[in-house]
Amino acid sequence: AQTVTQSQPEMSVQEAETVTLSCTYDTSESDYYLFWYKQPPSRQMILVIRQEAYKQQNATENRFSVNFQKAAKSFSLKISDSQLGDAAMYFCAYRIGNDYKLSFGAGTTVTVRA
Amino acid sequence: NAGVTQTPKFQVLKTGQSMTLQCAQDMNHEYMSWYRQDPGMGLRLIHYSVGAGITDQGEVPNGYNVSRSTTEDFPLRLLSAAPSQTSVYFCASSYLGYKRGKRETQYFGPGTRLLVL
Repeated sequence: AQTVTQSQPEMSVQEAETVTLSCTYDTSESDYYLFWYKQPPSRQMILVIRQEAYKQQNATENRFSVNFQKAAKSFSLKISDSQLGDAAMYFCAYRIGNDYKLSFGAGTTVTVRA
Repeated sequence: NAGVTQTPKFQVLKTGQSMTLQCAQDMNHEYMSWYRQDPGMGLRLIHYSVGAGITDQGEVPNGYNVSRSTTEDFPLRLLSAAPSQTSVYFCASSYLGYKRGKRETQYFGPGTRLLVL
């Protein structure tokens, strides 16, 4: 079974600063996808960013970017210029290329200090 | 489009009671799934379906049943509720395969909070 590990239960960042969330995963597959989801207090799951394993270029979405280290099986999320609205729980998720089942990490709660 | 809708938003059950959590999507997605979210454990897959009439078990299926009679609906049934089923339940859906040149993105419903006493 694939496992996704988020080693930081909580992270705190000052508004306008940068925070990096860690995620490691275990797989023997070569075709897979990685995701970061944001869950604000409303509990809605919001896709932040996705990365295809076959792409060497790191994905970016505005202030969100990833550092995808395939050999190390590491997939960290960087939030730049943090805003109060970024406060949420962030989940790292994985799925195999030809399968649609997602495996999630335990989540990291991000607090943004004004 | 309403996206993925779930009802009810919150439910309290007594041990042994049964109930059905409703999930519907209006995006004509083939794939639908149910997850439960527990503190410190992320989301875990309960059941999933790749089309009408086709369902399969996920990581934590015990105590739950599903059916998929239409593309739009994917209800989750708790046969005899137990306190261990206290959780937040999410339904998700997506296309299968490539659509408009991009792999699918899974859309999540707003969740149902279930408390079993």
